[in-house]
Amino acid sequence: DQQVKQNSPSLSVQEGRISILNCDYTNSMFDYFLWYKKYPAEGPTFLISISSIKDKNEDGRFTVFLNKSAKHLSLHIVPSQPGDSAVYFCAALEGYKLSFGAGTTVTVRA
Amino acid sequence: DTGVSQDPRHKITKRGQNVTFRCDPISEHNRLYWYRQTLGQGPEFLTYFQNEAQLEKSRLLSDRFSAERPKGSFSTLEIQRTEQGDSAMYLCASSLAGGRGNEQFFGPGTRLTVL
Repeated sequence: DQQVKQNSPSLSVQEGRISILNCDYTNSMFDYFLWYKKYPAEGPTFLISISSIKDKNEDGRFTVFLNKSAKHLSLHIVPSQPGDSAVYFCAALEGYKLSFGAGTTVTVRA
Repeated sequence: DTGVSQDPRHKITKRGQNVTFRCDPISEHNRLYWYRQTLGQGPEFLTYFQNEAQLEKSRLLSDRFSAERPKGSFSTLEIQRTEQGDSAMYLCASSLAGGRGNEQFFGPGTRLTVL
């Protein structure tokens, strides 16, 4: 059973505009959420995270929002840059075990 | 380079052969994880070590799979009698216990192809 879902397999955005990636989860026991970025032939790279007791965390161009009542989180990237083109994975932590979504491929157009 | 390293990066083997992968975590990290990723999916948890103790194994990890972390540093993942369904990217990650231990840092992965 897929406890973390990323329903948009791909996203295309113009350089300089905002990228919004969405993620839904079903397990109420998740207590920490993370976003990873992955380039081809590389492992996932940690991007940003948020604790379940917060609703927003910002780091430079990246902001993660958490809506616990809706079991939904999103990642905002602004402004989008060509180097942001990658696969983005949403992940949720229960104890020490990460559960991942299937990923969203972001393409930033010049 | 102080990140997580994995060896080999690629492995092609014939069905029925045994393969072994190695992971070297970030040196001060005492937690180590193995995940498996297939095409179009996110990584799936396989097993977890705290120091040298293997504390959990996923039901995805059949009896043909075994993982060790003998001295609490590097880890090995062995697959015996490989099957075509074992073809995947095998990822290793490490983290600290406590503090920022929620962030797991991944290696580049070992891509296994079983012919």
